[in-house]
Amino acid sequence: TQLLEQSPQFLSIQEGENLTVYCNSSSVFSSLQWYRQEPGEGPVLLVTVVTGGEVKKLKRLTFQFGDARKDSSLHITAAQPGDTGLYLCAGRGIQGAQKLVFGQGTRLTINP
Amino acid sequence: DTGVSQDPRHKITKRGQNVTFRCDPISEHNRLYWYRQTLGQGPEFLTYFQNEAQLEKSRLLSDRFSAERPKGSFSTLEIQRTEQGDSAMYLCASSIAGGRYNEQFFGPGTRLTVL
Repeated sequence: TQLLEQSPQFLSIQEGENLTVYCNSSSVFSSLQWYRQEPGEGPVLLVTVVTGGEVKKLKRLTFQFGDARKDSSLHITAAQPGDTGLYLCAGRGIQGAQKLVFGQGTRLTINP
Repeated sequence: DTGVSQDPRHKITKRGQNVTFRCDPISEHNRLYWYRQTLGQGPEFLTYFQNEAQLEKSRLLSDRFSAERPKGSFSTLEIQRTEQGDSAMYLCASSIAGGRYNEQFFGPGTRLTVL
């Protein structure tokens, strides 16, 4: 069974600080996606990483896929209150798997 | 709006009743997925369709659950004889088969509460 562990589960920081969220597994994934979810809504896709070591940037958000494609990180620079939300990583297995395996999420609160 | 839509957004029912949810995918997407999310957890895969064929079902999908996609467009998820443990957010997602990364786009979900 493929599992994704996210850490931390909860993070509350002040506006302007930097933070990193981690997503780890013992399994290899063909791709990994990061989503952000607001209360009562569905997850919204932020980015997909597919190549080991790949780094993608989305404004103040930097996403990295581990060299072995087993882990990923999300780094936010100068966090803003609008970054508040639940961040989910989701991996697609190798060998043609279509379903996504999700981590339990990191609930991020940015205080003004 | 051309995103994934789900109906209803909220459903409250009594234990033992049957409920049905509908999902309309992004129009050109031929793959459709159902996930369930309980409070404080990430979504868990239930089943997926490519066109009208149901290609994979999770062990989470008990005999009380059935999903259909009769014409390869919208899908329905029915839960029979609901139990309190069925209370969750039911999420639908869609993607394009053969798409570069099989990126899945989610709808807003249906929040089910079983009393």
